[in-house]
Amino acid sequence: GESVGLHLPTLSVQEGDNSIINCAYSNSASDYFIWYKQESGKGPQFIIDIRSNMDKRQGQRVTVLLNKTVKHLSLQIAATQPGDSAVYFCAENHSGYSTLTFGKGTMLLVSP
Amino acid sequence: GAGVSQSPSNKVTEKGKDVELRCDPISGHTALYWYRQRLGQGLEFLIYFQGNSAPDKSGLPSDRFSAERTGESVSTLTIQRTQQEDSAVYLCASRPRLETGELFFGEGSRLTVL
Repeated sequence: GESVGLHLPTLSVQEGDNSIINCAYSNSASDYFIWYKQESGKGPQFIIDIRSNMDKRQGQRVTVLLNKTVKHLSLQIAATQPGDSAVYFCAENHSGYSTLTFGKGTMLLVSP
Repeated sequence: GAGVSQSPSNKVTEKGKDVELRCDPISGHTALYWYRQRLGQGLEFLIYFQGNSAPDKSGLPSDRFSAERTGESVSTLTIQRTQQEDSAVYLCASRPRLETGELFFGEGSRLTVL
């Protein structure tokens, strides 16, 4: 079936390192992707999004890369900080379908 | 308010009881979603409301689950005859317009069924 999944359930990094969180999707019709951050006990918070007509988008300390050929999405966090520790979800949808489909999430642990 | 508001934040109930969870979306947001998140898991879509259109109920896991929304305001998610497997965080999200993908989430209602 169609799904969005993650390669790494847990990623541990040192403060100051760059982090890369990966996501694979299987629906070739997906044309919009979002990364969310969820801190413990809180709702998911929007980080960055990208449409399928782009392969890279940059925000503040974050970059999302989209490879439509292999249906792969990644989130890069530069100079990771302890406050970045959270679960990160990728989500996708496609035109004409109103619902975002979420992956299982990756826990990012940042050590000081 | 400034964000999506959900209540109660925590609910403990006994198996077999009914529960109601409430969501106040951001004012002016026409789309409203309910998701379920079991411990350590991703978000599972339950139901979607868009304006006055018929809701998309395709994610509701059983007929014990139902939801209502009045116009573009408050929504309630009702779970009848709760079971232990219903224990989860129920997240509500709203969106200003259909073509904008970002969902704005509330803090969730944590349901524990004993």
